[in-house]
Amino acid sequence: NAGVTQTPKFQVLKTGQSMTLQCAQDMNHEYMSWYRQDPGMGLRLIHYSVGAGITDQGEVPNGYNVSRSTTEDFPLRLLSAAPSQTSVYFCASSYRGWNTEAFFGQGTRLTVV
Amino acid sequence: AQRVTQPEKLLSVFKGAPVELKCNYSYSGSPELFWYVQYSRQRLQLLLRHISRESIKGFTADLNKGETSFHLKKPFAQEEDSAMYYCALKAQGGSEKLVFGKGTKLTVNP
Repeated sequence: NAGVTQTPKFQVLKTGQSMTLQCAQDMNHEYMSWYRQDPGMGLRLIHYSVGAGITDQGEVPNGYNVSRSTTEDFPLRLLSAAPSQTSVYFCASSYRGWNTEAFFGQGTRLTVV
Repeated sequence: AQRVTQPEKLLSVFKGAPVELKCNYSYSGSPELFWYVQYSRQRLQLLLRHISRESIKGFTADLNKGETSFHLKKPFAQEEDSAMYYCALKAQGGSEKLVFGKGTKLTVNP
């Protein structure tokens, strides 16, 4: 059972470059989300989706785009990378509803130079 | 708006000592509260949810609506408990947003 799979695990970008972080889940979860983890800041929600075709902004959406064309995939796009986007990114998924557990990917460590 | 506060960034205890990781929340409705744990080089995973009232790895957490708290407790800490602990709140009503606190790094010394 693969669970939540993120690719790549590590990435170095130059300022201004764009890239897409991939996230896929095989549990048929309706809800998917992206977080960034920074020292002393915890996990901050970037974007989330409650189902295919539906996305919404979280706490820190600027500089990121998402789409949800299928239930399984929820890619995160960095439009023009900035050093402030250096972080560890986590994708998570869960069933909708009361008291459901979120399952996390292993993370993508992104460095923008 | 949902908000989760973990006042301690770092917490260090000795093996066998009791440990309490504090979590306070701000939410006008009835919250769903969770504790997630991240061991070194591993992904985040669920430790506890308030609705279950269960004990996992010796940890318990009680929801206190009057004090808007959901503190995590263990009577006798073990070295393998050393990890990053996050308290999280999910709002009811369909948005499904899961909001995390800033986390507490627990170190259990031998």
